[in-house]
Amino acid sequence: AQSVAQPEDQVNVAEGNPLTVKCTYSVSGNPYLFWYVQYPNRGLQFLLKYITGDNLVKGSYGFEAEFNKSQTSFHLKKPSALVSDSALYFCAVSRSYNTDKLIFGTGTRLQVFP
Amino acid sequence: GAVVSQHPSWVICKSGTSVKIECRSLDFQATTMFWYRQFPKQSLMLMATSNEGSKATYEQGVEKDKFLINHASLTLSTLTVTSAHPEDSSFYICSASGSMYNEQFFGPGTRLTVL
Repeated sequence: AQSVAQPEDQVNVAEGNPLTVKCTYSVSGNPYLFWYVQYPNRGLQFLLKYITGDNLVKGSYGFEAEFNKSQTSFHLKKPSALVSDSALYFCAVSRSYNTDKLIFGTGTRLQVFP
Repeated sequence: GAVVSQHPSWVICKSGTSVKIECRSLDFQATTMFWYRQFPKQSLMLMATSNEGSKATYEQGVEKDKFLINHASLTLSTLTVTSAHPEDSSFYICSASGSMYNEQFFGPGTRLTVL
């Protein structure tokens, strides 16, 4: 069975500092991994995905994520946080890139303080 | 990227009534659409997967007679909450994917409040 774990309910970081939002996964076969961001009362916005290839994936708004197969992790990172990055972040895994259901983590609330 | 819309964005209804939520892919043909439900401060839970022209596949624990899903065209899927009750109040989000895109695109969500 597939599963995703986001161990932190909330991450606090000062503006300008680097941020990391953690995600680990469990899936049989090759994983397709995604990060989404959700602002209050809004749907999900796609940030980035890993399907194959380079382990470091670059996405929208300066975010990147590193796929680590040995640690089964896909942590989201940004070198310099902005107050506007404050939102709810979801990691998700799927067995295919578009036709199979996404299994979401429980979400991590990122709070960036000025 | 592709655009997915949902209508309405919010709805308030009385207990016992039915509510229909539309999910449209505006600029691509969505061969597959997904319906998720999100409780306050919780993650998204997949309710069902629908392929155009086929019956929806419901996740375990989701009542198919209560949450009717129709995917009659490549650009439209509907979720009808029948005989809604207060416990059905939630944020419902759809996503859509098509053969020309390698990801799912999410709608903005519909907040349902049942009084």
